Amino acid sequence: ILNVEQSPQSLHVQEGDSTNFTCSFPSSNFYALHWYRWETAKSPEALFVMTLNGDEKKKGRISATLNTKEGYSYLYIKGSQPEDSATYLCAFMSTGGFKTIFGAGTRLFVKA
Amino acid sequence: DAGVIQSPRHEVTEMGQEVTLRCKPISGHDYLFWYRQTMMRGLELLIYFNNNVPIDDSGMPEDRFSAKMPNASFSTLKIQPSEPRDSAVYFCASSLGWGAGYNQPQHFGDGTRLSIL
Repeated sequence: ILNVEQSPQSLHVQEGDSTNFTCSFPSSNFYALHWYRWETAKSPEALFVMTLNGDEKKKGRISATLNTKEGYSYLYIKGSQPEDSATYLCAFMSTGGFKTIFGAGTRLFVKA
Repeated sequence: DAGVIQSPRHEVTEMGQEVTLRCKPISGHDYLFWYRQTMMRGLELLIYFNNNVPIDDSGMPEDRFSAKMPNASFSTLKIQPSEPRDSAVYFCASSLGWGAGYNQPQHFGDGTRLSIL
């Protein structure tokens, strides 16, 4: 059974704080790791697609790193803003079928 | 650009009725995914298609669930007969192809909120 875990489950921060959360996934049969941002009453939107060990991706104030050997990825948000409030999902894709397994998400609340 | 289009947005029906959910993927995308989102289990992959062919349906919960993709621009997820425990939000997503190190994110529709009474 493939298990993708995200921590923390939820996070409350003040505007301007920097924050990070973790996605843990199986270290074998790795194909890709996706990060999505999911705002309430909307659909998930892709942030990053990461495929290589050591990958670092950045989009504005959000960045992510990837360690496929130990099976984890970090998502960082620098200087959180209220509009960053959302659920951040990671999704693991394995080789041999490209099945996608989503984590339960980290729910971020940014208070103004 | 039109995104992934799902219909209906909301469906309320009685137990035992047949339910059909519809999805139009982004033009040119050759992968299509059906997901179910519940509070207990989060976002679960039910089935995915590549070039209209079902590749992995191991996430389909029971024989009551079936999915088809008759052409590149249309897919259906059918539940017959429906049960209250099928109540959830069902998402369809599409993406460009992978393989050979080529990897693309999935683009999600707005979902269908299904309530079975």
